[in-house]
Amino acid sequence: KNEVEQSPQNLTAQEGEFITINCSYSVGISALHWLQQHPGGGIVSLFMLSSGKKKHGRLIATINIQEKHSSLHITASHPRDSAVYICAVRIQGAQKLVFGQGTRLTINP
Amino acid sequence: EPEVTQTPSHQVTQMGQEVILRCVPISNHLYFYWYRQILGQKVEFLVSFYNNEISEKSEIFDDQFSVERPDGSNFTLKIRSTKLEDSAMYFCASNEMAGNYGYTFGSGTRLTVV
Repeated sequence: KNEVEQSPQNLTAQEGEFITINCSYSVGISALHWLQQHPGGGIVSLFMLSSGKKKHGRLIATINIQEKHSSLHITASHPRDSAVYICAVRIQGAQKLVFGQGTRLTINP
Repeated sequence: EPEVTQTPSHQVTQMGQEVILRCVPISNHLYFYWYRQILGQKVEFLVSFYNNEISEKSEIFDDQFSVERPDGSNFTLKIRSTKLEDSAMYFCASNEMAGNYGYTFGSGTRLTVV
């Protein structure tokens, strides 16, 4: 069983649509990270959350520790948002990150 | 903005050969990591390194793998005798301190074993 599950695996939307990507985890964590991976392969950190909600530009990330669930929202989506979005958790007492399988997002003009 | 630099960006090697992947973490960061991503699969943890020693490693990180920080700036991953299944993208990452600090990832080295 995967410790970190994301849904959906693939998401295609039209420019301007509101996007939600979900992440559920089954282990005790000290933090949850949302990362972006572009076709070239590089990974960029978007958010680190241990509680509540964070916003950066058109991106919003929320976490519910009791429910072991996090969401990443993109408002007014744009084709340049097309990428793989990855949820990763830092397990309590460890330094390593455990990754979800990623959500491939495609925004069409 | 400070970056984690990885070299080379792509390496092709013969099965059985040794490879060294290099990383220059951000200068004031203290924790260093190697992760890998086999094509089409999720990113997997290999090893973490702090205070010049391995602090945590995964089952993947067997005797064929080693890490070192030879000169206080570079952080290297050595694979002693490469196998076909070592073909993957290898990412170096670093963060500032223990606890909930963000990670900075390098752009990766794509290793192809033929």
